[in-house]
Amino acid sequence: DGGITQSPKYLFRKEGQNVTLSCEQNLNHDAMYWYRQDPGQGLRLIYYSQIVNDFQKGDIAEGYSVSREKKESFPLTVTSAQKNPTAFYLCASRDRGRSSYGYTFGSGTRLTVV
Amino acid sequence: AQSVTQPDIHITVSEGASLELRCNYSYGATPYLFWYVQSPGQGLQLLLKYFSGDTLVQGIKGFEAEFKRSQSSFNLRKPSVHWSDAAEYFCAVGVDSNYQLIWGAGTKLIIKP
Repeated sequence: DGGITQSPKYLFRKEGQNVTLSCEQNLNHDAMYWYRQDPGQGLRLIYYSQIVNDFQKGDIAEGYSVSREKKESFPLTVTSAQKNPTAFYLCASRDRGRSSYGYTFGSGTRLTVV
Repeated sequence: AQSVTQPDIHITVSEGASLELRCNYSYGATPYLFWYVQSPGQGLQLLLKYFSGDTLVQGIKGFEAEFKRSQSSFNLRKPSVHWSDAAEYFCAVGVDSNYQLIWGAGTKLIIKP
């Protein structure tokens, strides 16, 4: 079955360390998204990409970086510049064709600073 | 600016009782509206959506929602909840040509046995 795979499910980061969260989809979707989720705040958009080799900042991009070298992959790096990275991170993809708002979500990665 | 408000952070209902989760939006044009459900530690699943037409929309798992333009609301309802409905529910509005979603803060549903 097609879907989105996020790995790892749990990730621990030391202070000052960069970490990369993986997001892979086999849905052949053009658009991909990274959201951050904190309790009581809903989902906030970090970065999104509509096509390969192109991406845009979302509302809270500071301290994060992304790449989109392949259609199926959209990794998120949480850099040491992100002062409060502990959160639940969700990746999503969207088919830019028939279902314009047809988002599919991964199961998330919980990042904790130790 | 566009926004989505879910006034209730938590709601507790007894199993078998009816449920209504509130959602109010602020958006200048005709909105595209969504309800998603999230089980603990999981991603989000689409329950239902409203684009146009009939203001009462049916979704999966026995949920329905009613779009009321005059009240800028899109409340989610279920006539009889089951313990498996315990989860967090998010309302969202679709905006702009990039198909971005603006999210509410979520309502956590707790089911009493």
